[in-house]
Amino acid sequence: SQQGEEDPQALSIQEGENATMNCSYKTSINNLQWYRQNSGRGLVHLILIRSNEREKHSGRLRVTLDTSKKSSSLLITASRAADTASYFCATDLRMDSSYKLIFGSGTRLLVRP
Amino acid sequence: EAGVTQFPSHSVIEKGQTVTLRCDPISGHDNLYWYRRVMGKEIKFLLHFVKESKQDESGMPNNRFLAERTGGTYSTLKVQPAELEDSGVYFCASSRTRGRETQYFGPGTRLLVL
Repeated sequence: SQQGEEDPQALSIQEGENATMNCSYKTSINNLQWYRQNSGRGLVHLILIRSNEREKHSGRLRVTLDTSKKSSSLLITASRAADTASYFCATDLRMDSSYKLIFGSGTRLLVRP
Repeated sequence: EAGVTQFPSHSVIEKGQTVTLRCDPISGHDNLYWYRRVMGKEIKFLLHFVKESKQDESGMPNNRFLAERTGGTYSTLKVQPAELEDSGVYFCASSRTRGRETQYFGPGTRLLVL
């Protein structure tokens, strides 16, 4: 099974509303990152939260991390139509000299104008 | 500072043909990663370079895939011969150091094998 799993798989909201996406993971992490992918575009890094942090803000984004529950949430406040995209959480997996990101399957967010 | 660039942006080839994807990381980033997303599934790690050395290629699906990073600058990912299941989006990412740092992704190459 995947290291990171997002919930819900799809979310449809009205412009101006808040959107909350959740991510659960299974193993210990150093950090957790959230990325956005607009349709047909690449991955855009949104925010990184380290394992010793509990909450982080960046503009309209708020990320929380609960290492005891192995979960994170991404809150987008006052959503805009331009926020329509797929959102992925990614956890780091470090083994010996190897380092990689493990992605979840993503949440598809639709913001209706 | 220029971001990660990938070429081509799209590629449509027939089964059995060869395709080579290129990634130019952010200047000064020693770490280069390849990932791919097939059929709308999750994004999966393929391999990790540190400079010109392959640090981890555990995600490479089979020996039809060959990645190189001669000189420790840009990287190429060759698929030979391509199969239908190779269709997807291939992402490249780079970071300055390994570990607790953001990986910056390129726009991806959309590969369609017919």
